[in-house]
Amino acid sequence: DQQVKQNSPSLSVQEGRISILNCDYTNSMFDYFLWYKKYPAEGPTFLISISSIKDKNEDGRFTVFLNKSAKHLSLHIVPSQPGDSAVYFCAASAGANSKLTFGKGITLSVRP
Amino acid sequence: DVKVTQSSRYLVKRTGEKVFLECVQDMDHENMFWYRQDPGLGLRLIYFSYDVKMKEKGDIPEGYSVSREKKERFSLILESASTNQTSMYLCASSLKDLGQYFGPGTRLTVT
Repeated sequence: DQQVKQNSPSLSVQEGRISILNCDYTNSMFDYFLWYKKYPAEGPTFLISISSIKDKNEDGRFTVFLNKSAKHLSLHIVPSQPGDSAVYFCAASAGANSKLTFGKGITLSVRP
Repeated sequence: DVKVTQSSRYLVKRTGEKVFLECVQDMDHENMFWYRQDPGLGLRLIYFSYDVKMKEKGDIPEGYSVSREKKERFSLILESASTNQTSMYLCASSLKDLGQYFGPGTRLTVT
C-alpha cells in the first residue's frame, strides 16, 4: 500500500513560469514532510521541509504548502529555471526522527 | 558541509557473489539508511540504523543484511547477489530531527 503518492510521473513547464508539484499521503500519523531533488547519477539533495504545525514554508523560489485535512502537499517553484529540471521526491515521516517514506518521484522539465 | 561517501559509483557483479557496499559519513550523525532506487518505484528503504550495532529492517530487507560497527560507517551486504538486485543504491545519514543527507549512489549491475 503506497502511503505517499505522486500521481503525475512528469511535468513540463516554460522557463519563468510556476511549477506546481503535488503529493498526497494516506497515513494520518505523518507529521513531517520533505521534498528532495535528484539529478541523474547523483544522490537526492534536501530541498525544503514542513512540519504539520504549519501550512506553509518558504525558502527563496521554493514554497511548500500543506493541507492536513486533504492529506495533500505541494511544492511551488517560482520562477522556474532550466536548472530546476530534475526528479523531485516527496517524503513523509511520523516524527522528525522517524524513517522516511518516499513517493515515486516526478520528473520536472523546464523548457528554455 | 555534510559529506556522505559511497565506496563505488559503479559496480558489476555476477549472480551468487557476495557484495559489500560501504557508506561513510563525516558529520557524526546518529542515523544512517540504505535505499534502492528503481524506475517507477521511487526510493525504497532497505535497512536503517539509529546507533552503532543497531539495525532495523526497512520496507524491503529480503536478500540484504547490514553492519554498523562504527558510528560513521554503515555497510550493506548482498549475501548472494541476484539479477533482481540490479539497482541504484543510495546511502543517507541524518542527525535527529533533521532531513537526510544522501551519498552519490552506487549503480550495481548483477549479471
